[in-house]
Amino acid sequence: DTGVSQDPRHKITKRGQNVTFRCDPISEHNRLYWYRQTLGQGPEFLTYFQNEAQLEKSRLLSDRFSAERPKGSFSTLEIQRTEQGDSAMYLCASRGSYNEQFFGPGTRLTVL
Amino acid sequence: GQQVMQIPQYQHVQEGEDFTTYCNSSTTLSNIQWYKQRPGGHPVFLIQLVKSGEVKKQKRLTFQFGEAKKNSSLHITATQTTDVGTYFCAGYSSTSGTYKYIFGTGTRLKVLA
Repeated sequence: DTGVSQDPRHKITKRGQNVTFRCDPISEHNRLYWYRQTLGQGPEFLTYFQNEAQLEKSRLLSDRFSAERPKGSFSTLEIQRTEQGDSAMYLCASRGSYNEQFFGPGTRLTVL
Repeated sequence: GQQVMQIPQYQHVQEGEDFTTYCNSSTTLSNIQWYKQRPGGHPVFLIQLVKSGEVKKQKRLTFQFGEAKKNSSLHITATQTTDVGTYFCAGYSSTSGTYKYIFGTGTRLKVLA
């Protein structure tokens, strides 16, 4: 257990529905990443927060994807109008003082 | 854009044999990290390399960062069944004005007892 928690661990939804995932990073970490990982691939960068500021977003983050970290603590990732291609593992990582990333267990999304 | 490639994609070894995975970046990196992901698990941080030509060891694992800071390798001596998993490198380039780490494609290691 890295100390990073994600909720839910699994989500099954129908195409077109909206979903929201939550990440609780290690409490003293002010830097947080979201990644998407599909089978057989490495984590793919989605977005980066430093405290509550979203400093970088991937081009892959279309207008259907949004992320927030309102108080610089937990973060949420929302996907609107889900598509089957959104099925993946969504990983959150909080970054420590030596730049190491501590990953949470991930949320596995299945879009039917 | 920046790309990070790893070879090989898969490696099957007999327990006790050595294993090496190579990571190559299309751009010069500020630092490189290595992660291990067990089947069904999440990536776990192993190490970070920062200096050109740096070599670090963790028990049976040896990590190297190339002189040009564009490539890296992970070598495992005398593999054990506990080494099974996928090994990823992740490169970071501060000069490109980005905060993101680019993960490699990974090398999946299977150790046969």
